[in-house]
Parts: sequence; structure tokens; C-alpha cells
Amino acid sequence: EDQVTQSPEALRLQEGESSSLNCSYTVSGLRGLFWYRQDPGKGPEFLFTLYSAGEEKEKERLKATLTKKESFLHITAPKPEDSATYLCAVQAAGTASKLTFGTGTRLQVML
Amino acid sequence: NAGVTQTPKFQVLKTGQSMTLQCAQDMNHEYMSWYRQDPGMGLRLIHYSVGAGITDQGEVPNGYNVSRSTTEDFPLRLLSAAPSQTSVYFCASSYANSPLHFGNGTRLTVT
Repeated sequence: EDQVTQSPEALRLQEGESSSLNCSYTVSGLRGLFWYRQDPGKGPEFLFTLYSAGEEKEKERLKATLTKKESFLHITAPKPEDSATYLCAVQAAGTASKLTFGTGTRLQVML
Repeated sequence: NAGVTQTPKFQVLKTGQSMTLQCAQDMNHEYMSWYRQDPGMGLRLIHYSVGAGITDQGEVPNGYNVSRSTTEDFPLRLLSAAPSQTSVYFCASSYANSPLHFGNGTRLTVT
């Protein structure tokens, strides 16, 4: 059974204080690992897809990395508008677009 | 761009009542799916469809029915609502093996 574990559950940072979110996974053949951002009362918004160990993707202050067992979402010099819940999900090979999600990390960036 | 549209945004039902959650997408995506999101749990797949006329069960299908008569629409039916179905429901769509696009959810309370 595919599993995704995210840590920490919640994280509070000062503006400009860089940190990383962790996503550990077990999957029977990884097709892709996905990062989403979710704001309160909204649906998840796609950020990145990573396909193989060693791959990295960047978008503004966010950088996602992937190993064979985990992924990290690095947040550099965060701003209050980066406050959101960040979700990690995996897709197993041969499963169309069916995703298994973690429970998310709730990030709060303070002024 | 409308993307994925879900209606209603909020709904309160009494135990035993039936209702249909609507989902429509205007991106010509062949893949559509329904997830539920509960506190402390990741998004869980209820049902999915890989194209018009084709549906299949996800992780938590009991108590829900779906049909896919057109590419655009993928309604979720609750035949006899139970308090355990109190949740936030998200519809998503994508091209095959591409990132999911989510709607903004329907918040359902069953009393």
C-alpha cells in the first residue's frame, strides 16, 4: 500500500527565516511525486512534479528535491504570503492520475 | 478561465437524505476524480473516471455513486447520507498522467 508521511505537521517561521518541509513516501514504483499548496477554503494548487531521484524544481522562493525515499520542499526567505498548507502526493506507476496524499504541513510565516 | 467548477459550495443534509454534488470542467480533460478531505487525514480518492462512460472505485467508495455521461461533467451522488460523510469534497481533472487541477470544494455537513 502506498504511503505518504509529511513532517512537521505545522511550522511557524519569521519572515526571511528559511526552512524545509519533509515528505517521506513508500510506493510500488514511483510514477511521480507532486507538491501542492492549499489556502484555507480553497482547493489544492499544483506546484511541482518530480519524477526521479536527484531531480530538482524551483519556483520563486520554493525548491523541491527528490530522493528514493523522500522529498523536501525548501522555502528560502519566506514571506507572509507563503503561509498555506503544503501537500505532498505520490502516483504509482500504471495508476493513471490516482494520487496518494500526505496530511500536509501547515506553514505560517510571521512578519 | 473557469477550470474546475463545483456546486454547491456548502450543503447541510439530514441523515438519510440524498443529494448530488456537481463538478464540471472546461479543459477537455479525460481524467476526473473525487476526493474527500477530513481533519488529520490526507485527501482520499472516492471514485475516478478515465473518460466518458468509464468509472472506477477509489480508496473510499462506499456510500457514493458516480457516472460520466460527458467529458465535462462528473457528478457525485450520496444515496443516503450518513454523519460519517461530513467532509469537504474536492473534484479534480487532468490529462492522463498530468497534474490534477482541483475545484474549490463542497463543504458537506450531515446531521
